[in-house]
Amino acid sequence: GESVGLHLPTLSVQEGDNSIINCAYSNSASDYFIWYKQESGKGPQFIIDIRSNMDKRQGQRVTVLLNKTVKHLSLQIAATQPGDSAVYFCAEISNSGYALNFGKGTSLLVTP
Amino acid sequence: EPEVTQTPSHQVTQMGQEVILRCVPISNHLYFYWYRQILGQKVEFLVSFYNNEISEKSEIFDDQFSVERPDGSNFTLKIRSTKLEDSAMYFCASSEVRGRAKNIQYFGAGTRLSVL
Repeated sequence: GESVGLHLPTLSVQEGDNSIINCAYSNSASDYFIWYKQESGKGPQFIIDIRSNMDKRQGQRVTVLLNKTVKHLSLQIAATQPGDSAVYFCAEISNSGYALNFGKGTSLLVTP
Repeated sequence: EPEVTQTPSHQVTQMGQEVILRCVPISNHLYFYWYRQILGQKVEFLVSFYNNEISEKSEIFDDQFSVERPDGSNFTLKIRSTKLEDSAMYFCASSEVRGRAKNIQYFGAGTRLSVL
């Protein structure tokens, strides 16, 4: 079945360092993945997406890598800032193309 | 920047009561969704809605739940007889397109439902 999970529940990094948040998925037919950021008391905020025909996609300070061989994706945040502190979720699109299936989330804490 | 708005931000109700959670999706979006997040857990899909009908629903979305688009702007989630386990954050989302190759869903800030 479809499932998305995250390797680490919490990640603490120093301001200015790079952060890497990992995510594993089990459905080899998954075509599309999204990373969301959720700050305390707010809804998930879209960060970046990637299709399964791509290995890498870059945004502003963020890069998503997709390894279909081992069914793993990661979110890299360059020069992490205090404002990056949040819970990060990866999500995969369902086979129907409607539902997003979310992982459990990784809490990123940026320390000064 | 367009955003999804949800009201109320917090709803407290007694077990067995009906609640209606309201959402105004982004104006040019055609696909609407409800998700819930129990405290400390992951976000779970409830239902998607397109062209005035449900397009997909999860096992959570049983007969106690219903959705409606009563006018051109609002999208509502009704829980007919709330249970303690319905306590959660409920998020509305909308997207311009949908599909297995692209489906960026934009989320509202959520309604915290507390069932006493």
